[in-house]
Amino acid sequence: EIVLTQSPGTLSLSPGESATLSCRASQSVSSRYLAWYQHKPGQAPRLLIYGASSRATGIPDRFGGSGSGTDFTLTISRLEPEDFAVYYCQQYGRSPLYTFGQGTKLEIK
Amino acid sequence: DVQLVESGGGLVKPGGSLRLSCAASGFSFRNYNMNWVRQAPGKGLEWVSSITSSSSYIYNADSVKGRFTISRDDAKNSLYLQMDSLRVEDTAVYYCARAGISTGYFPDYWGQGTLVTVSS
Repeated sequence: EIVLTQSPGTLSLSPGESATLSCRASQSVSSRYLAWYQHKPGQAPRLLIYGASSRATGIPDRFGGSGSGTDFTLTISRLEPEDFAVYYCQQYGRSPLYTFGQGTKLEIK
Repeated sequence: DVQLVESGGGLVKPGGSLRLSCAASGFSFRNYNMNWVRQAPGKGLEWVSSITSSSSYIYNADSVKGRFTISRDDAKNSLYLQMDSLRVEDTAVYYCARAGISTGYFPDYWGQGTLVTVSS
């Protein structure tokens, strides 16, 4: 079973700064099968990035994904107030079918 | 617009059963794989179950195998999750999510969720 470990657990930043979130897999993951989500309390999760680096429909270019193998990164530049949320990485295709990381909480400093 | 609306959540005793429904609209439901994902209070997202188009394949998380059954009715544009032998640890918000075709089968649209509480 693939385990995804996200770091840091909590990231405190100010609007206008840049955020770097990490997702490390316990085994190599094809870049095609790695995604990032944003989740705010009381709302549906929102797909940001799929295929490690492709932005989903309507996602601003302030959000960028990169990485390969076991190390993946979500970068958010020029943080806006609405960007403060919990972010999850997810892999698809290896048993279990989908696996989520434990999440990184991005909070306002 | 794509819409997914879950229903059927509520309070149930341990060992009890509940059936969740997800009504889909705004897309050709029969052509898409569908998923259930949950979030327990204060915890992260956890994938629960998936069903392919035409119900060809079904996948379940180990935590719900033998207890939960996913199904779909393409004529009604609806997805279901039959939950039996419920446990306290099944308490969560349950989300219905569409597996996007253009997004490599990552869930691209989600419902707002329905709360299931298992407690005596």
